[in-house]
Amino acid sequence: DADVTQTPRNRITKTGKRIMLECSQTKGHDRMYWYRQDPGLGLQLIYYSFDVKDINKGEISDGYSVSRQAQAKFSLSLESAIPNQTALYFCATSDSGGAVDTQYFGPGTRLTVL
Amino acid sequence: QKEVEQNSGPLSVPEGAIASLNCTYSDRGSQSFFWYRQYSGKSPELIMSIYSNGDKEDGRFTAQLNKASQYVSLLIRDSQPSDSATYLCAVTTGGSYIPTFGRGTSLIVHP
Repeated sequence: DADVTQTPRNRITKTGKRIMLECSQTKGHDRMYWYRQDPGLGLQLIYYSFDVKDINKGEISDGYSVSRQAQAKFSLSLESAIPNQTALYFCATSDSGGAVDTQYFGPGTRLTVL
Repeated sequence: QKEVEQNSGPLSVPEGAIASLNCTYSDRGSQSFFWYRQYSGKSPELIMSIYSNGDKEDGRFTAQLNKASQYVSLLIRDSQPSDSATYLCAVTTGGSYIPTFGRGTSLIVHP
């Protein structure tokens, strides 16, 4: 079984719709992250959480919100989707008790906003 | 602003050759350095980490770090077509341990 899972894997939605991307992990890591990746632009950090009660904005948080429901679950919401949010979204985890700056990525969600 | 720069490529090498991938970073306080491999449409996976100046070898991969010149490189010996992927350089600075990623270098290994 995958250690970091993301649902859905693919999503097509329309402008203005609210959508949620979900991430779950069985690695027991305390830190979780959401990234988006656009062709040729590398990985950009959207939000990150160091524990259940900790939420922090990344470099491109506008238009997004997150919820850390449990240590193992971290969801990303697009309140009103727009076409330039079309991208590949990755959830990642890291372990503050181990190699804290090593990131473990989920399989990704390909989001298309029409 | 922390910057991590990579040549986007593509870097094309013949099978069996040595592929050399380079990365420069702007923050002299950077502490940890990583190379991730990402196949098209897949998620990044860690292949090497390096924390001190010099070389670190793992199988066909060698990471090289030069903090004075602020660059880190990845050498892939005996390149195989299965090495064809995008290689992301990542650097962390300070106590947050959150990496900054470069845009990646596309590597093509042709038979």
